[in-house]
Amino acid sequence: NAGVMQNPRHLVRRRGQEARLRCSPVKGHSHVYWYRQLPEEGLKFMVYLQKENIIDESGMPKERFSAEFPKEGPSILRIQQVVRGDSAAYFCASSNKRGSNTEAFFGQGTRLTVV
Amino acid sequence: GENVGLHLPTLSVQEGDNSIINCAYSNSASDYFIWYKQESGKGPQFIIDIRSNMDKRQGQRVTVLLNKTVKHLSLQIAATQPGDSAVYFCAENSMEYGNKLVFGAGTILRVKS
Repeated sequence: NAGVMQNPRHLVRRRGQEARLRCSPVKGHSHVYWYRQLPEEGLKFMVYLQKENIIDESGMPKERFSAEFPKEGPSILRIQQVVRGDSAAYFCASSNKRGSNTEAFFGQGTRLTVV
Repeated sequence: GENVGLHLPTLSVQEGDNSIINCAYSNSASDYFIWYKQESGKGPQFIIDIRSNMDKRQGQRVTVLLNKTVKHLSLQIAATQPGDSAVYFCAENSMEYGNKLVFGAGTILRVKS
């Protein structure tokens, strides 16, 4: 859905650098989800945030990864000290309410390449 | 659950034929299901959804069938077109999953002209 904006679309980082991925949800949406996708695989859930709160981070590695969704501004997925295995497409989705029966709209993703 | 590390199955169909894409979901408590289409280099795009109190829902050229007894979901595409070529994912949602979408492994649909 064109309403979810992710940037950058492509990001190249050397091993050990930090990667910052941004996601602006659909206007009015206060729920954001981050997913990771390896080539020819499905989307794996990482973290679910509501404004200023992390609701569920069960899919996010405990080390080096963090996410935030501040009151103002986009949601940020931060990966510190990147390694080659972090290379993947990272997708953000947003919805306007919590609960099941809620459609989530996806952005175009950020493709991270670690060299 | 989530199928990670598996290569995606491929369905090849002739243009104009009907396509049926299948998905086995994992949680009998899931109460909402969505089919997404993902084209190369793009994000997943919503196609159609269905709630667990229904067993069939129709959209434009697409139909989703839900069989809760065997935890099976299918997507039927009528008169398949070259533009339908993509990877198709089913996703399930439930309170047990904390209201996050859990995706299946995906199926590659190739339409031959």
